[in-house]
Amino acid sequence: NAGVTQTPKFQVLKTGQSMTLQCAQDMNHEYMSWYRQDPGMGLRLIHYSVGAGITDQGEVPNGYNVSRSTTEDFPLRLLLAAPSQTSVYFCASRRQGYTGELFFGEGSRLTVL
Amino acid sequence: GNSVTQMEGPVTLSEEAFLTINCTYTATGYPSLFWYVQYPGEGLQLLLKATKADDKGSNKGFEATYRKETTSFHLEKGSVQVSDSAVYFCALSDPLDNAGNMLTFGGGTRLMVKP
Repeated sequence: NAGVTQTPKFQVLKTGQSMTLQCAQDMNHEYMSWYRQDPGMGLRLIHYSVGAGITDQGEVPNGYNVSRSTTEDFPLRLLLAAPSQTSVYFCASRRQGYTGELFFGEGSRLTVL
Repeated sequence: GNSVTQMEGPVTLSEEAFLTINCTYTATGYPSLFWYVQYPGEGLQLLLKATKADDKGSNKGFEATYRKETTSFHLEKGSVQVSDSAVYFCALSDPLDNAGNMLTFGGGTRLMVKP
């Protein structure tokens, strides 16, 4: 029972580089989302998706892109990394209708130099 | 907009002590309320929830009551263990806010339990 799987767990980038954080879930959840966690600020929603082909912006979407081509996968792309994007990123999913009952991955720690 | 305010940490307790972590909220509608726990090196896990006023959520000895009159959802446990050491997050989901698709989290409270 894998649940929500994120890769990589750690990544160091230089300013201006691009990368993709991968997220996959095997629970057939319709809803998937990306959060960033910064000290003292809790978690903030970046983007979310309510199903394949549907994505929407969260609270802090600037600098990030997402797509949802399958139910299982929801990658997060950083096109031009900036030091302000240094953070821990969490992918989370839930069944539609179970508002707030999220299943989280273990997180990806990103450092942008 | 919606917001969740938690007490600043860290909270340091001895084993078997009583725990209270305060949480208050501001919301436009009638939100559902949640407590999540994050153990070191792991993602968040749902601990308990309450969906309407006066509901009490409970799990693993933890309890929280949805108090609409004080807009609060304080987390309590009668006797903490070292294994309860973690960061606790209060959160809300407001159906009037984008159909509940945007969960709002508090800043988290770190609990440290000493043997």
